[in-house]
Amino acid sequence: KAGVTQTPRYLIKTRGQQVTLSCSPISGHRSVSWYQQTPGQGLQFLFEYFSETQRNKGNFPGRFSGRQFSNSRSEMNVSTLELGDSALYLCASSFHPTGGNTEAFFGQGTRLTVV
Amino acid sequence: KNEVEQSPQNLTAQEGEFITINCSYSVGISALHWLQQHPGGGIVSLFMLSSGKKKHGRLIATINIQEKHSSLHITASHPRDSAVYICAVERGDTDKLIFGTGTRLQVFP
Repeated sequence: KAGVTQTPRYLIKTRGQQVTLSCSPISGHRSVSWYQQTPGQGLQFLFEYFSETQRNKGNFPGRFSGRQFSNSRSEMNVSTLELGDSALYLCASSFHPTGGNTEAFFGQGTRLTVV
Repeated sequence: KNEVEQSPQNLTAQEGEFITINCSYSVGISALHWLQQHPGGGIVSLFMLSSGKKKHGRLIATINIQEKHSSLHITASHPRDSAVYICAVERGDTDKLIFGTGTRLQVFP
C-alpha cells in the first residue's frame, strides 16, 4: 500500500509569488491534515479536510488556503509569499478525522524556501 | 506557557542505555501521539494512546490521564534510534493537534 505522497519535495520561490503544494493520502483515507514546521515555531496545525470539507483550521492568515478533491487528494496554496513562510510543510492522512481515535500517517514533506 | 511540554530538549546516550522522554500537557485531550522525525523531515507515527500503555518492539509508551503526563521509553537504545521525538495531543474540545517542541536524541555506539 503506497504511503502519503507529497509533491514537490523541494521548492524555491520568491517573495510575492504564490505556491501550490499537493498531498495524496493513503488509499481509502478521507482525512488530510496540513502542518507547517519551522525552527522557531516547531510544528503547527494549518487545516484539516475530511470528505472535501474543511473541518478545522489553525491560526494562520488568509494567505494560506487549501482544498480537497473527491479522490481525497488535497492541495494547499500560499499566496503573496513572505520570507517567513519558508518551512517544511507536512501533510498527514487518516481514515477517520482527528478526534476519531485514528492513527495519522505523514508524508515526507515539501521544503519551501522563499527568497 | 506551551500547552504541550517535552523534556529533555536534548538527550545523548550510549548504545544499550534505557531512555525516557517525558511529555506533559495542560489541556483536555482525546488522544496523545508519539512521533519520530529523522533528518530529512519525514515523520513516522510511533504510538497513539488514550489510556494505559502500549509496546512495540523496544519502544514503550505510557500515559496517565489524571496527571496529564506521558512517557516514551526506549530499551536497549541503538544509534538508529537517533532522531527527534515529538509528542502531540488531540485537544478534546477542538480536535486540533498540538505539538511539543520535540526531544533530539543522539545515541552513540
